[in-house]
Parts: sequence; structure tokens; C-alpha cells
Amino acid sequence: DAGVIQSPRHEVTEMGQEVTLRCKPISGHNSLFWYRQTMMRGLELLIYFNNNVPIDDSGMPEDRFSAKMPNASFSTLKIQPSEPRDSAVYFCASSGRGRVGEQYFGPGTRLTVT
Amino acid sequence: GIQVEQSPPDLILQEGANSTLRCNFSDSVNNLQWFHQNPWGQLINLFYIPSGTKQNGRLSATTVATERYSLLYISSSQTTDSGVYFCAVGAGGATNKLIFGTGTLLAVQP
Repeated sequence: DAGVIQSPRHEVTEMGQEVTLRCKPISGHNSLFWYRQTMMRGLELLIYFNNNVPIDDSGMPEDRFSAKMPNASFSTLKIQPSEPRDSAVYFCASSGRGRVGEQYFGPGTRLTVT
Repeated sequence: GIQVEQSPPDLILQEGANSTLRCNFSDSVNNLQWFHQNPWGQLINLFYIPSGTKQNGRLSATTVATERYSLLYISSSQTTDSGVYFCAVGAGGATNKLIFGTGTLLAVQP
């Protein structure tokens, strides 16, 4: 199994630009989670999907952030416009119907907004 | 919501030493996981252990669900064990959300 795949692994962009992060969950998993990790705030859950439907987006910081899951094998997290305070590592995780809620994490995308 | 506390916040060991990391949680849970975040930032699953005891090589974990705590044991530590260890518990109900502790930063010195 390839595990959770994220791209790009690193992204450097200028303030005001649009950023799109991508995630492919583990095949057969039906839940997908987007997290953000910073030194100040630790790991924060931004949004999660169940069967491609957004269930809880209460962690999305503001309207500049949006997430979609058009099918069971692909999700995007978009930031438009990006700001320096968005600099962080963004993780995607997925879980399946097996053990209750067991999550597997992707390698993360390190985003730097200058 | 459920509170998750980990101790100690940081730990320095000499290679070969043993250690115990603790995770306390404030309510009953149906999911508990231990993760290792290595110095390259990857979050690696160590154990899925809502109750009972499991072992994997030099690592073992025990969760006493009735007393709302879990322990991670690292024996004969190696420099590659360095990193941050997170405990995360299921938020319960119909959600699959995980609530993360603040982690234990472990440094193993040669």
C-alpha cells in the first residue's frame, strides 16, 4: 500500500498568491482529514470528510481556506489569498472502516508564504 | 471536550536507557493512538491501543481505559528514537476526530 500521498512536499509562495495542496488517501479509506501544524499552535484539525462529504469544518481559520473532495481518491486544500501567517506544515490523514478511527498520516506539505 | 495531557513534556536520555511516557485523558474513549514524529517531520503510527497491552520490538504500550491513561515504554533507546511522541484519542460519538496531546519531546544522545 502506498500510504497517504501529498503534493507538493514543499511550497514557497508570495503573499497574495493562491496555494493548492493535494492529497490522495489510502485506497478504501472513507474518512479524510486536513491538519495544520505550527510551533505555536501544535496540530490543529482544519476539516474532515466522511464518504467525500465535509462533516466538520470548524477548524478552518477563515474564508481564505477551502477544501474539496470530488471523489474518494482525491482532496484539495486551497488558500486564496495566502498570507505569511499561513506558513506551516499541512498534513492529510485518512482512516477506514476497520479499527475505529485509526488514522494514517501523509508526509505533509511544508508551506512558506513570504 | 476531551482533554489529553502528556508527560513529561521533554526528556533527554543516553542511548541504551529505558523510558516511560504517559498520556492522561479526561473521558472514556473508543480510540487511542501513539504516534512518533521523527526529526524529518513524518508522523508514524506506533500503536492503536484503546485498551490492553501491545508490543512491537523495543516499544510497548499499555492503556488502562477504566483509569483513563496510557503508557508508552521505550526500552534500550537508540538515537533514531528521537523526536516527538504524540498520544491522540478519539473524540467519541459519531465522529472520527482525534484529539492530540501536546507531545513529549525525546532526545536520545549517543
